[in-house]
Amino acid sequence: GAVVSQHPSRVICKSGTSVKIECRSLDFQATTMFWYRQFPKQSLMLMATSNEGSKATYEQGVEKDKFLINHASLTLSTLTVTSAHPEDSSFYICSARALSGNTIYFGEGSWLTVV
Amino acid sequence: GQNIDQPTEMTATEGAIVQINCTYQTSGFNGLFWYQQHAGEAPTFLSYNVLDGLEEKGRFSSFLSRSKGYSYLLLKELQMKDSASYLCAVMDSNYQLIWGAGTKLIIKP
Repeated sequence: GAVVSQHPSRVICKSGTSVKIECRSLDFQATTMFWYRQFPKQSLMLMATSNEGSKATYEQGVEKDKFLINHASLTLSTLTVTSAHPEDSSFYICSARALSGNTIYFGEGSWLTVV
Repeated sequence: GQNIDQPTEMTATEGAIVQINCTYQTSGFNGLFWYQQHAGEAPTFLSYNVLDGLEEKGRFSSFLSRSKGYSYLLLKELQMKDSASYLCAVMDSNYQLIWGAGTKLIIKP
């Protein structure tokens, strides 16, 4: 099946620094990638939808200047958490929808801890 | 508004069968997905239904009735490793996924 790879799987950063998470579709081209965050024991929360070559669409309440999303190619999207705070600590998951079909595949997720 | 409902938690016995229901009200419909999520891990894709009927894939089957806004995931011959959360999601007319809160399935020996 289709593979979506997310990196890093775990990252610890200091408050005030920025951290970048990459999401790659390894064996298919993804027109659309989605970024979610999930707090423990809670549902996935969509943060933003990114389309290749255009600006990401952010969900209400998500700060676009804090969570920078870049979808520069059909196989790569990045999420940069800027000026990280401890409350940004969470599980961040990306998913990708292929050019053909509607099935959406998930990356492995990235645990971010801000200290 | 858009809404996905599924039970919060279910318990079943190893070797048995369990059915997890999902009802939905969304603006448009472009398919219904079931995902499995183990604690601390990203969801993994289980099934995708866009037409009415039953789709069988090994021990897992998924059913869809679009007229009733209803789906279920059927798990047979339950194994301890099936203990996980099962997420129902509907793709709406804008091709966005609307997520249910997930059903935590507990398997007992």
